[in-house]
Amino acid sequence: QVQLMQSGAEMKKPGSSVRVSCKSSGGAFNSYTINWVRQAPGQGLEWMGAIMPILGRPTYGPMFEDRVSITADTSTSTVYMELSRLKSEDTALYFCARDPCSGNHCGLYNWFDPWGQGTLVTVSS
Amino acid sequence: IVMTQSPLSLSVTPGEPASISCTSSQSLLLSTGYTYLSWYLQKPGQSPQLLIYFGSNRASGVPDRFSASGSGTDFTLKISRVEAEDLGVYYCMQTLQTPITFGQGTRLELK
Repeated sequence: QVQLMQSGAEMKKPGSSVRVSCKSSGGAFNSYTINWVRQAPGQGLEWMGAIMPILGRPTYGPMFEDRVSITADTSTSTVYMELSRLKSEDTALYFCARDPCSGNHCGLYNWFDPWGQGTLVTVSS
Repeated sequence: IVMTQSPLSLSVTPGEPASISCTSSQSLLLSTGYTYLSWYLQKPGQSPQLLIYFGSNRASGVPDRFSASGSGTDFTLKISRVEAEDLGVYYCMQTLQTPITFGQGTRLELK
């Protein structure tokens, strides 16, 4: 079955950027949307954006669209999320998650399964 | 679309039922007949895991003690008999429109 493996924890300074990777294995990659969701310590889930690798055009949430960039490398089945101008409030667990729906009944976005293991990004001076 | 869950916390005796409500600020039912609402459980220290998709369809491997219902703007997740492994935080999520949004989460604890 499909598995998503994320890159390791990062410690960053305020104002810098971070790039987190999400490598897919065990299933088709190009035609399934990968989403990014973050979770601040002790808080709920927040959608950041998504990309369908074969199309290459990402969609971003309004809270992030001026600071986030999501790209896909179809040759390595990997999606990247880069967040710039980091602030302490960006300290969070970052998850990637696949939308597995296929077929004519599917919408642009459907549900998330599986999820990556999460990548902790800590922003501190 | 604003997603509102209630209650925010729930303490249940193992073997007893539990119910979580999720309300959306607009209908999640598309003209296709599909409802863009899913449910997730985040167990302590883990990533969220899918329980329910398209409003009421149990995901593969999810025990049949979990069920979901609702339409339009009001949805319910039910656990017929809570077990120890069910503890964690439950989230509803809408995917009808971007930005995709989640409920605040409902923490299920065992008595």
